Amino acid sequence: AQSVSQHNHHVILSEAASLELGCNYSYGGTVNLFWYVQYPGQHLQLLLKYFSGDPLVKGIKGFEAEFIKSKFSFNLRKPSVQWSDTAEYFCAVNARTGGFKTIFGAGTRLFVKA
Amino acid sequence: DGGITQSPKYLFRKEGQNVTLSCEQNLNHDAMYWYRQDPGQGLRLIYYSQIVNDFQKGDIAEGYSVSREKKESFPLTVTSAQKNPTAFYLCASTPSGTGAYNEQFFGPGTRLTVL
Repeated sequence: AQSVSQHNHHVILSEAASLELGCNYSYGGTVNLFWYVQYPGQHLQLLLKYFSGDPLVKGIKGFEAEFIKSKFSFNLRKPSVQWSDTAEYFCAVNARTGGFKTIFGAGTRLFVKA
Repeated sequence: DGGITQSPKYLFRKEGQNVTLSCEQNLNHDAMYWYRQDPGQGLRLIYYSQIVNDFQKGDIAEGYSVSREKKESFPLTVTSAQKNPTAFYLCASTPSGTGAYNEQFFGPGTRLTVL
């Protein structure tokens, strides 16, 4: 069965620090990969997605993620975080042949100190 | 504005009672989903529906039921058979076509507390 693992459940950073959130998945076939973000009091929304092509994907608000197929990873990065990045981040995977089912990771709560 | 609405935002029920959570979308999306979000466990799929009058069980369907009589509506009933119903429930939808390529659009959620 597919699974998604997010290594850090809680991360605390100071503003301007660099961010990297780990995400690994277990599925041997072709996958589509997503990062979603849930800001306090807001809906869960898409941050970025990877389907094919350049493995380095850029999303909104300066976030990017790199797909490394050999490592089954899709880590999220941002060079310099802001207080407004405080949120919960979810990695998600959809097997391309799996149709409508998407598997979500447990989430990482990021708190950025001003 | 197009989007997904869930009502109510907070819901309290006594143990042993069934409760129905509402989810409505005006995005003209074909597929709709119900997830349960618990701290430290991410989102777990309860049920999903690809088209009207059709739905499939997700990973944790026991104790839940759904219906899809209209394209825009996908209500979830939490029955008394659900052993641990207190949770945050999220409804989502995706456009028509191959589901794997579509981002999911989420509603604001309903926090259910069973006393």
